[in-house]
Amino acid sequence: EPEVTQTPSHQVTQMGQEVILRCVPISNHLYFYWYRQILGQKVEFLVSFYNNEISEKSEIFDDQFSVERPDGSNFTLKIRSTKLEDSAMYFCASSGGSRGGNEQFFGPGTRLTVL
Amino acid sequence: QQQVKQSPQSLIVQKGGISIINCAYENTAFDYFPWYQQFPGKGPALLIAIRPDVSEKKEGRFTISFNKSAKQFSLHIMDSQPGDSATYFCAASIDFQKLVFGTGTRLLVSP
Repeated sequence: EPEVTQTPSHQVTQMGQEVILRCVPISNHLYFYWYRQILGQKVEFLVSFYNNEISEKSEIFDDQFSVERPDGSNFTLKIRSTKLEDSAMYFCASSGGSRGGNEQFFGPGTRLTVL
Repeated sequence: QQQVKQSPQSLIVQKGGISIINCAYENTAFDYFPWYQQFPGKGPALLIAIRPDVSEKKEGRFTISFNKSAKQFSLHIMDSQPGDSATYFCAASIDFQKLVFGTGTRLLVSP
């Protein structure tokens, strides 16, 4: 069964450093998303991406964040200068259909720890 | 308006019992209501979902009840099993776009 994959599973970084989180969405899906979950809290939307551009972003997704689909399979989230409060699980999700019109399937997540 | 309120925060149910988790929303534009199951260290996995044109949807031991007028929906897990012990999130979206998640319910099914 197709699944969303994410790498790395755990990333430890120093405050102020740049990190890139990688995702491989399900191959025929058209909509891609990043969410984050601070330990013990709810899952929060960060950004959605369709047709090589951001379709929606939350207030969390400030200028320190960027997303990219560098090739036909990968979808990345970059945090330019990490802060302590960026420590969280980051989940990639994808959905199919012409307007994201299907269920979102989540990857296993990347645990980001900022020291 | 974009919030989805979920209760209870945690729930302990005996094996074989019924687990009930409730969610409420304000935004009447929401038109898709999924439930996700999450095990520790894993990503949320879609369990069951409903659109507001039906009042109930059943898949195996899992049932969503939907009350459009009250803007509430709930997940019922029949014959709860220890393997159902997980965190459950309700969510809502408009036209399958970004998901707005509830705060989660940690379910423990005791043997």
